[in-house]
Amino acid sequence: RKEVEQDPGPFNVPEGATVAFNCTYSNSASQSFFWYRQDCRKEPKLLMSVYSSGNEDGRFTAQLNRASQYISLLIRDSKLSDSATYLCVVNWNRDDKIIFGKGTRLHILP
Amino acid sequence: NAGVTQTPKFQVLKTGQSMTLQCAQDMNHNSMYWYRQDPGMGLRLIYYSASEGTTDKGEVPNGYNVSRLNKREFSLRLESAAPSQTSVYFCASRPGVFMNTEAFFGQGTRLTVV
Repeated sequence: RKEVEQDPGPFNVPEGATVAFNCTYSNSASQSFFWYRQDCRKEPKLLMSVYSSGNEDGRFTAQLNRASQYISLLIRDSKLSDSATYLCVVNWNRDDKIIFGKGTRLHILP
Repeated sequence: NAGVTQTPKFQVLKTGQSMTLQCAQDMNHNSMYWYRQDPGMGLRLIYYSASEGTTDKGEVPNGYNVSRLNKREFSLRLESAAPSQTSVYFCASRPGVFMNTEAFFGQGTRLTVV
């Protein structure tokens, strides 16, 4: 079983809709969690960190459920510019290993 | 702001040739990483280094070697390239263990093995 798993999609969503992604991780010792965005095979860039209490950044909300070992990303009022691949990232503080999920492709439709 | 610099950006190799991908960061980060990305596979960790002088295997280390030359530089070597190593390679760095901060990526090296 891969350490970090995501639904690859694609998710085809009309502009203005709300979309949510989940990501599960297998190692309960995982310490830090992130969502990255990647455009057209360019380098990944941080979208937001995920905190235990949940956090929000504009239209984006991230949640962490340690008991069930998953994180989620919610995008509200989606824009055409949100079309990208969203990568779930888990970091193990003990040795600073960082593992990426395969990514979820999102297409926002006009 | 240079950040993470990878060289070369593009490379074509013949099967069996060797080459070294270079990565350097100017952010005084302790941890550095090499990933490969293939279509539909996301980024897979090849090797990482949590500090100068240490390296660890990631998810797909076979066929690769690494060297953490100093704090700034982390190179990836293919001793005998194979077509299965055709991929986009990304180097990344972050401040270090117990620092809940993002990883910064280079722009990638697009490698084709024929």
